[in-house]
Amino acid sequence: EAGVVQSPRYKIIEKKQPVAFWCNPISGHNTLYWYLQNLGQGPELLIRYENEEAVDDSQLPKDRFSAERLKGVDSTLKIQPAELGDSAVYLCASSIGRSTEAFFGQGTRLTVV
Amino acid sequence: AQSVSQHNHHVILSEAASLELGCNYSYGGTVNLFWYVQYPGQHLQLLLKYFSGDPLVKGIKGFEAEFIKSKFSFNLRKPSVQWSDTAEYFCAVRTTGTYKYIFGTGTRLKVLA
Repeated sequence: EAGVVQSPRYKIIEKKQPVAFWCNPISGHNTLYWYLQNLGQGPELLIRYENEEAVDDSQLPKDRFSAERLKGVDSTLKIQPAELGDSAVYLCASSIGRSTEAFFGQGTRLTVV
Repeated sequence: AQSVSQHNHHVILSEAASLELGCNYSYGGTVNLFWYVQYPGQHLQLLLKYFSGDPLVKGIKGFEAEFIKSKFSFNLRKPSVQWSDTAEYFCAVRTTGTYKYIFGTGTRLKVLA
């Protein structure tokens, strides 16, 4: 079974530029999560989807971050414009439902210079 | 606010030594509990989980954890560590009301051969 696939694995951009991350969850997983992981910290939830509906986006900085999950399958997380403080690892995870365990992708390491 | 505390940030052990990593959470309601592991260069993987029932749960690779409700704890144990257990370990709590995962800051384990 294929795991959660994220791309790109690494991204280096200049500040004020836009950037987008893509996630393809495990087939059949209705719940999709985007997490932010800073160095030396645990993952922090940015947004959770149930199918195509964002059911928890309370931690998403909506002035510069946006996400979508069209058709309830893969998802895109965008930052526009990026700031130096956005340098981190962005993790995508999925689960069959909100009550089951989450499976994580490899993450995208973003460096903003 | 809900939080998860992992008391040991760095642990160094020799092979065959016993391991116990502490995890405490602050939340008065019903929770699901998880330990995830991240091997160098790899994605977060589920080690074990507790949803209900026997508070002593067994996971992969000889790991186990005990849920002590009165102490709000979910400590991870392994009787004899191996060099291949070198990794970062994250405790996570999911509240059954909001279905939100809250992660600890992680413990970096280094096992000396």
